[in-house]
Amino acid sequence: ETGVTQTPRHLVMGMTNKKSLKCEQHLGHNAMYWYKQSAKKPLELMFVYSLEERVENNSVPSRFSPECPNSSHLFLHLHTLQPEDSALYLCASSQDFLVNQPQHFGDGTRLSIL
Amino acid sequence: DAKTTQPNSMESNEEEPVHLPCNHSTISGTDYIHWYRQLPSQGPEYVIHGLTSNVNNRMASLAIAEDRKSSTLILHRATLRDAAVYYCILGLMYSGGGADGLTFGKGTHLIIQP
Repeated sequence: ETGVTQTPRHLVMGMTNKKSLKCEQHLGHNAMYWYKQSAKKPLELMFVYSLEERVENNSVPSRFSPECPNSSHLFLHLHTLQPEDSALYLCASSQDFLVNQPQHFGDGTRLSIL
Repeated sequence: DAKTTQPNSMESNEEEPVHLPCNHSTISGTDYIHWYRQLPSQGPEYVIHGLTSNVNNRMASLAIAEDRKSSTLILHRATLRDAAVYYCILGLMYSGGGADGLTFGKGTHLIIQP
């Protein structure tokens, strides 16, 4: 049981579509993260939120727009994506964003861009 | 960023101990050593972490060399469910100047033979 739930599990979209990925945690954690996992590359950190404030943005293109309305929910809004954006998008949470605390991951959204 | 080096893959037999090595010769004094694993079609799962002393939990043991330039994850009795990619990661303590997510490498693909 993961404690971090991501929806949808799979998403296929065209390059001109707009969609959103959702992440939800009820672990009482204060920090949430978006990661991207491509087929031939290691996991890449995209965004970090702590107490609903963005604290890190790792040079992610503006076609990815995160939103954290409260400490339990995290969204990733997608628009005008490129084929190279096809990947597994993983959400994680931790008690705080001190890196010595374990991160709990969801099972990801598998995104395919046509 | 401090890097880690792991073998690409390892094989072991079911019900035998497994020792997964990790080299991190450029580790700094404030780097924690984390291990995560990723089962097929799932997000990464926290296994264990440590700073200087050896650590044990219900999943595994972490043996850290005295000079901290290497570490070994020990699965005491491997089962088929332990077949996964195992990631050794160095995590900086939050310094107040910014947050660090986890920097994943390619990991070790552990194959368990029945």
